[in-house]
Amino acid sequence: DTEVTQTPKHLVMGMTNKKSLKCEQHMGHRAMYWYKQKAKKPPELMFVYSYEKLSINESVPSRFSPECPNSSLLNLHLHALQPEDSALYLCASSQWAETSGTDTQYFGPGTRLTVL
Amino acid sequence: AQSVTQLDSQVPVFEEAPVELRCNYSSSVSVYLFWYVQYPNQGLQLLLKYLSGSTLVKGINGFEAEFNKSQTSFHLRKPSVHISDTAEYFCAVSEETSGSRLTFGEGTQLTVNP
Repeated sequence: DTEVTQTPKHLVMGMTNKKSLKCEQHMGHRAMYWYKQKAKKPPELMFVYSYEKLSINESVPSRFSPECPNSSLLNLHLHALQPEDSALYLCASSQWAETSGTDTQYFGPGTRLTVL
Repeated sequence: AQSVTQLDSQVPVFEEAPVELRCNYSSSVSVYLFWYVQYPNQGLQLLLKYLSGSTLVKGINGFEAEFNKSQTSFHLRKPSVHISDTAEYFCAVSEETSGSRLTFGEGTQLTVNP
């Protein structure tokens, strides 16, 4: 089973709202990722958690706050977003090969976020 | 640092025709290569990957790709496409020193027409 699930599928929020995106995997993977994808563009890496610790933060604005409560769950807390943050937010997971490069990432279906 | 170039942003083909989506990479160390497909309003699905061994890799949905180290290419092919293959295709690379970090190409939109 190579399934990564994400909720909600769609989210519409105002610039003053606080909301959260959720991601879950049950493949025993030790790394989880958040990506942002704009239309007709490749995914852009935002955050990486390995063994429940934040290992990569790609200089993402503080209005995005990731959280990894356990090895199966990954959240992305959103606060005071801007309209330009509207995008598809993808979660992925992998075994975590820290240096070898052989890791395979498996993606969820994404959350389509619209900021009004 | 690695980079990935997908040479065609759009590839229109007729149903049952063969197709090749081109991907070139640059890197100074050993690389690992992936093709992902993204159907409209969905996430990315792994089509196939090259980690080591045979340079001809077979994936899902009848796709295959060949790793060519001398030409630094990893082109994706299918001998006969279906309407349902219409999607965005992303080539991605990781390096032996970059761990799990993937570098994606800009994507190729494959449109299969009846």
